[in-house]
Amino acid sequence: EAQVTQNPRYLITVTGKKLTVTCSQNMNHEYMSWYRQDPGLGLRQIYYSMNVEVTDKGDVPEGYKVSRKEKRNFPLILESPSPNQTSLYFCASSPAGRSGDTQYFGPGTRLTVL
Amino acid sequence: AQTVTQSQPEMSVQEAETVTLSCTYDTSESDYYLFWYKQPPSRQMILVIRQEAYKQQNATENRFSVNFQKAAKSFSLKISDSQLGDAAMYFCAELEYGNKLVFGAGTILRVKS
Repeated sequence: EAQVTQNPRYLITVTGKKLTVTCSQNMNHEYMSWYRQDPGLGLRQIYYSMNVEVTDKGDVPEGYKVSRKEKRNFPLILESPSPNQTSLYFCASSPAGRSGDTQYFGPGTRLTVL
Repeated sequence: AQTVTQSQPEMSVQEAETVTLSCTYDTSESDYYLFWYKQPPSRQMILVIRQEAYKQQNATENRFSVNFQKAAKSFSLKISDSQLGDAAMYFCAELEYGNKLVFGAGTILRVKS
């Protein structure tokens, strides 16, 4: 089944404790992206990747890191999480950038930083 | 910068009736794409409908249709014969360069039986 998976689905952590949220897609998509969803703000892009080893900042990149060493995986790293990073996070993928292709979303990761 | 505005935080509709969700956007591009996504309580983001800006014809998907007014930069979603399963948060989004989706704040749709 074609899908985007994220792990973990739920995470409660404390300020300053490094964490990684994994994202994987099995559709051989070139483009992958991370969004965060906050009430009243919709979804906002954190980082995106046009292909392996090609990543760039989105609208809200502060406090986050990403890497794209393999085409299928695009982990989101919070080196020192803070309470303002409490949010619902989505990973998405599409066949290629600039093409208007539909983006397929993962199931979301609910992160709480205490 | 791209902006997408959904002016209705919440809407209600009676089962089997029709409801329209509003969306306006701001872009300087001539080539772009517009989407409506549905987010049920499961939080999964589900594509409802997609519109290509260069196409004059309004997109339709079964009970879902859009009214795309390019000059007015308006992209409303009409849901006909509303069903209980349509209850969800609906997001309007615009896509430009780099496949970045810019989302509106969302509209919560409640369906009354």
